[in-house]
Amino acid sequence: DQQVKQNSPSLSVQEGRISILNCDYTNSMFDYFLWYKKYPAEGPTFLISISSIKDKNEDGRFTVFLNKSAKHLSLHIVPSQPGDSAVYFCAASAKTSYDKVIFGPGTSLSVIP
Amino acid sequence: DTGVSQNPRHKITKRGQNVTFRCDPISEHNRLYWYRQTLGQGPEFLTYFQNEAQLEKSRLLSDRFSAERPKGSFSTLEIQRTEQGDSAMYLCASSRRGGKGNSPLHFGNGTRLTVT
Repeated sequence: DQQVKQNSPSLSVQEGRISILNCDYTNSMFDYFLWYKKYPAEGPTFLISISSIKDKNEDGRFTVFLNKSAKHLSLHIVPSQPGDSAVYFCAASAKTSYDKVIFGPGTSLSVIP
Repeated sequence: DTGVSQNPRHKITKRGQNVTFRCDPISEHNRLYWYRQTLGQGPEFLTYFQNEAQLEKSRLLSDRFSAERPKGSFSTLEIQRTEQGDSAMYLCASSRRGGKGNSPLHFGNGTRLTVT
C-alpha cells in the first residue's frame, strides 16, 4: 500500500523551461511534505519542504504547491537547468511521527540543454 | 559538517551469510535512521534512533535484522542468514531532531548489498 505516489517515473524538459513534478498521497494524517533530490551513486539530499498550514513555499528556482483537499503536491523548477537532472523523491510525515518519513518511488528528471 | 559516512560502499555475500554495515552520522545529530531502497522505489523506512534508544521499527525489519547504536554515535545494521530478497541499497541518515524541514534528513551514500 503506497502512501506516497509519484505516477510519472520520468520527465524530460528543455533547459530554461519549467519542470513540474507531481505527487499524490493517501494518508490524511500526513501534514509535512518534503522533496529530496538524488544524483547517481549519492544519497538523497533535502530540497524543499512545506507544512500543511501553507499552500505554497518558495526557495529560489524551486516552489512547492500543496492542495490538501486533493491530497496533491507539486514541485516547480523554473528555469530548469541541466544540473537539475536527477531523481526527485516526494516524501511525507505525520505529526504523530515526524521521524518516520515516507518516500514516493521517485521521478527521474532530464533537463535537455 | 563532514557528512554521513557509510561503510562498506558495496558488499557481495552468499545466501545464508551474515553481514554488518556501519553508519557514522553527522556528529551533532542525535537522531539516526536506516532506510532500504530497491530498484525503482524510494527509500523505505526501517528504523530510527534518538541517541542510543531505538524508538521505532518498521514491520519490514524482520527478526533477521538488528540495528544498534550503542553509545548514541555510530550505528550498525546486521542482517543474519541473508536472502536474495535482501539485495538492496541500505541508506543511513541523521538529523538534529525530527525529520521536519528545519532539521532535514542528511543521507549517506549508502551500502549496496548483493546476495548471490
